[in-house]
Amino acid sequence: DAGITQSPRHKVTETGTPVTLRCHQTENHRYMYWYRQDPGHGLRLIHYSYGVKDTDKGEVSDGYSVSRSKTEDFLLTLESATSSQTSVYFCAISDRQAPGAFFGQGTRLTVV
Amino acid sequence: GIQVEQSPPDLILQEGANSTLRCNFSDSVNNLQWFHQNPWGQLINLFYIPSGTKQNGRLSATTVATERYSLLYISSSQTTDSGVYFCAVVVDYKLSFGAGTTVTVRA
Repeated sequence: DAGITQSPRHKVTETGTPVTLRCHQTENHRYMYWYRQDPGHGLRLIHYSYGVKDTDKGEVSDGYSVSRSKTEDFLLTLESATSSQTSVYFCAISDRQAPGAFFGQGTRLTVV
Repeated sequence: GIQVEQSPPDLILQEGANSTLRCNFSDSVNNLQWFHQNPWGQLINLFYIPSGTKQNGRLSATTVATERYSLLYISSSQTTDSGVYFCAVVVDYKLSFGAGTTVTVRA
């Protein structure tokens, strides 16, 4: 299995508070992604990174920011959490040298 | 952006039956993958298949890139095959998913 660790695995937070989710990889893969999964919507891309300090928006980026200061870590921040951001969040990694993308185990976030 | 459509959205099978899942995409892609999400939510990489045919046990996949579709075959289905099957395509660096096919295999 690819070395991808998401933390925390579960979190309950209050509306209006900032939240940071972490994705850590040990594969030295260049590309990293954050997705959210909601019933009826499949997996939707929030942000992705194609290198250290190189990031871009996905299809549902409003309300989220990301940072990648080193190859192995990709952080997703909800600046002010809202109930609509209650979801399961997945991190993925890929690289041109290794075919395919691999996913972390997911983080279940509940905003109350 | 690219559109990825999967069909059927839901599939109920009797154990031992065969089935075909389809993925259509709207533009040229760099590669294509099939994933299985098990009932515990884990996403498993099944096939990396930008073109051609691959087989892995009872599963096989075919991608016809020139016609912009891919097929996933499940033969002699088992209850452990239940879950959601996703097709995902890569254009430049972006990995985009279809909505998935939910497969239920009954004993």
